Amino acid sequence: QSALTQPASVSGSPGQSITISCTGSSSDVGAYDYVSWYQQHPGKAPKLLIYEVNNRPSGVSTRFSGSKSANTASLTISGLQAEDEADYYCSSYTIRTTLHYVFGPGTKVTVL
Amino acid sequence: QLQLQASGPGLVRPSETLSLTCFVSGGSISSGTYYWGWIRQPPGMGLEWIGSVFYSGDSYQNPSLKSRISMSVDTSKSHFSLKLSSVTAADTGVYYCARHRMVEASFDFWGLGTLVSVSS
Repeated sequence: QSALTQPASVSGSPGQSITISCTGSSSDVGAYDYVSWYQQHPGKAPKLLIYEVNNRPSGVSTRFSGSKSANTASLTISGLQAEDEADYYCSSYTIRTTLHYVFGPGTKVTVL
Repeated sequence: QLQLQASGPGLVRPSETLSLTCFVSGGSISSGTYYWGWIRQPPGMGLEWIGSVFYSGDSYQNPSLKSRISMSVDTSKSHFSLKLSSVTAADTGVYYCARHRMVEASFDFWGLGTLVSVSS
């Protein structure tokens, strides 16, 4: 049972925008701006999309953006493309027991 | 370009110790900026952080696994290792090694992953 909650699936048509939520608590998402997002295509390793809530690593499309409000972080994909169909995971630093990192259960994005 | 490659036995017997090594190339494992992490993924399930180790040997582990984990770094061979003891079927999955940017709390480079099955 993950400490973070994500919707199991989100879908959208090409060109649309979708948002994936990641809900935690005051011990993780709400405690620090250390939320990151990862994209994983089937059979592939995860890829870092967003770090520190809203920062993109070099080379990541500007169509991916992140935000946070209280205990919920969000990933928005704008101008949805077929290649965006993948699983998306949020992650947060947590101080629940001792410092460590937790991942959300993942959200399957389907491009209709 | 940084590359990470995990290796280890694909099959481990229950109650035995799982041992994996991640080889780092294209960058220095001794950089003071990064930790080196292990993340696993059971079949069809999500990601779980196992632990992260600094080149000095300092490490952090997932509290749920800490009693069974040993992590180390060999800077001369540019690799870091994971040992997970007393394995059960629940430890079956793909094990990834990754570069851990501790300051930003993110994993920015990942290896391809290696599948480990626990079965008798």
